[in-house]
Amino acid sequence: DSGVTQTPKHLITATGQRVTLRCSPRSGDLSVYWYQQSLDQGLQFLIQYYNGEERAKGNILERFSAQQFPDLHSELNLSSLELGDSALYFCASSGDPQREGFYEQYFGPGTRLTVT
Amino acid sequence: AQKITQTQPGMFVQEKEAVTLDCTYDTSDQSYGLFWYKQPSSGEMIFLIYQGSYDEQNATEGRYSLNFQKARKSANLVISASQLGDSAMYFCAMREGGLGSNTGKLIFGQGTTLQVKP
Repeated sequence: DSGVTQTPKHLITATGQRVTLRCSPRSGDLSVYWYQQSLDQGLQFLIQYYNGEERAKGNILERFSAQQFPDLHSELNLSSLELGDSALYFCASSGDPQREGFYEQYFGPGTRLTVT
Repeated sequence: AQKITQTQPGMFVQEKEAVTLDCTYDTSDQSYGLFWYKQPSSGEMIFLIYQGSYDEQNATEGRYSLNFQKARKSANLVISASQLGDSAMYFCAMREGGLGSNTGKLIFGQGTTLQVKP
């Protein structure tokens, strides 16, 4: 158990719909990362938050958005869903990346999204 | 741009034998970090081992060791005494922007599927 929790574990929805994925980081971790894993694209970084502020953005679609709340949990919102959005969405957390040394990212169990 | 390459889509190894999973990387950063993660069929991502570019010794964690060859830009994972539970997908990753960047985002390779035969 990494200490990172994600809900829900599975989500099945229809095209055009909107869903929200939720993540709680490990206790004490201020950084939250979202990744998408699909068969054709592999594992891709979407977005990172640090202590409530967006710190880095990857190939995240405009239909997707995220935020990190004061209690440090994060939500990834996916709207106008398409079949190609079906994937495993991971949340990971770490300490401050700018501190000396490294901070490995601890991954949550993922949310498997199926768009039909 | 940084890139991670894993050229072995699938590997087989006999139980109790050692196996090497290949990873090469490309970066212009002077300091960087390399990671290996394991993803079993259940889907979770499990951190295995880390190697910093300035670390003089190869990293080891139990049965896992990282064969780091900086000049060749390779960071191969060696699993000794393979067990059936080692059957999984293995990903090599690099922290983008080097160790001084303000983001810890990871760039992943395509992964290698390892099957351990009894």
